[in-house]
Amino acid sequence: EDQVTQSPEALRLQEGESSSLNCSYTVSGLRGLFWYRQDPGKGPEFLFTLYSAGEEKEKERLKATLTKKESFLHITAPKPEDSATYLCAVPPTDQKLVFGQGTRLTINP
Amino acid sequence: NAGVMQNPRHLVRRRGQEARLRCSPMKGHSHVYWYRQLPEEGLKFMVYLQKENIIDESGMPKERFSAEFPKEGPSILRIQQVVRGDSAAYFCASSRDTPNYGYTFGSGTRLTVV
Repeated sequence: EDQVTQSPEALRLQEGESSSLNCSYTVSGLRGLFWYRQDPGKGPEFLFTLYSAGEEKEKERLKATLTKKESFLHITAPKPEDSATYLCAVPPTDQKLVFGQGTRLTINP
Repeated sequence: NAGVMQNPRHLVRRRGQEARLRCSPMKGHSHVYWYRQLPEEGLKFMVYLQKENIIDESGMPKERFSAEFPKEGPSILRIQQVVRGDSAAYFCASSRDTPNYGYTFGSGTRLTVV
């Protein structure tokens, strides 16, 4: 059964303090790995899709990378507005996603 | 260009009542997905529908839950005889084709059973 584990569960950083979030996955055949951002009271907002080991994608202060067993979401010089829960997910089939529990990121000014 | 619209945003039901959650997909999207997010838990897939067809309902509880996506109108997730354990945020997502990928989520309906 496909599984996704995210760590840490929660992370507090000072503004400007860079760090990384981890997403480990176990899948029978990788069809892609997705990163979403979720703000309180809102639905997940799509960030990135990664399809193969070695792939990297960037958006503003975020960079996602993928290996054969895990993905990292690097956040560089974060700002308070980057505070959110970050979710990763894998699709065991074309029709659904298996999500991790998320990492709750708080950036203090 | 409205996104995925869900209503109501908040729904309070007493135990034993019925809850109806509605989802209007993005314009041009014919695939709808329902997910549930229980307190302190991750998002869990419930059901995938196309117009007038349920494609995958492997995540739906066997009793009391049903979903439809009629030819006209929104997709409906229906929960009969609600219990306290049904309290959760229910999210709908839509895509134009099978996911490819990163389909768009709505803002969710927060169901509270009292």
